[in-house]
Amino acid sequence: QAVVTQEPSLSVSPGGTVTLTCGSSTGPVTSGHYPYWFQQKPGQVPRALICETTHRQSWTPARFSGSLLGDKAALTLSGAQPEDEADYFCLLSYPGSRYVFGGGTKLTVL
Amino acid sequence: QVQLVQPGAEVKRPGSSVKISCKASGGIFTNYPIHWVRQAPGQGLEWMGSIVPRFGPSKSAQKFQGRLTFTADESTGTAYMELNSLTFEDSAVYFCLSGSCLADWGQGTPVTVSS
Repeated sequence: QAVVTQEPSLSVSPGGTVTLTCGSSTGPVTSGHYPYWFQQKPGQVPRALICETTHRQSWTPARFSGSLLGDKAALTLSGAQPEDEADYFCLLSYPGSRYVFGGGTKLTVL
Repeated sequence: QVQLVQPGAEVKRPGSSVKISCKASGGIFTNYPIHWVRQAPGQGLEWMGSIVPRFGPSKSAQKFQGRLTFTADESTGTAYMELNSLTFEDSAVYFCLSGSCLADWGQGTPVTVSS
């Protein structure tokens, strides 16, 4: 089974920009992995932010954007707000309709 | 968006099984697969598998093959996940999710495996 890697933790200053990445042990992440990004705050159910690399949900603030960056999927937060402090998980789709989550990135806004 | 309703917490003995339901609002499935994900205390998310309710085929992560079963009852709009041969490491919150962009999540069912 593939291993999906994320930065364990990152920090950003309020108003700053940070990029979270999502890599795959099987090779470059492409649009064919349909990268998803989820946000989870303490005690809450995860919620979908972005799917299919770049598609933002209706409730996803415009300061979040998804992309492919080099051989990884990326979630960029531009203009971080205190309420963006959360855990972020990426999810990749693999052949045979099997999926693997990354280990998650704990984002601190300070 | 579809609401997915899951039952409350379960406590199980090691070696036993747990079967968790996931009922779609209105009792009607969409055409989207229903995925099952779990999260152990203080840990990340783990994809377990999925089922396409109207068409039957299911997929599961390799580590669960042999002890994980997905079913769906179209008459009630309810999907089920059954995990057998429980160990302490299966203690987690189990979520069902579905929909466009995997945007629809159940509230989660905590399962505690304890002797």
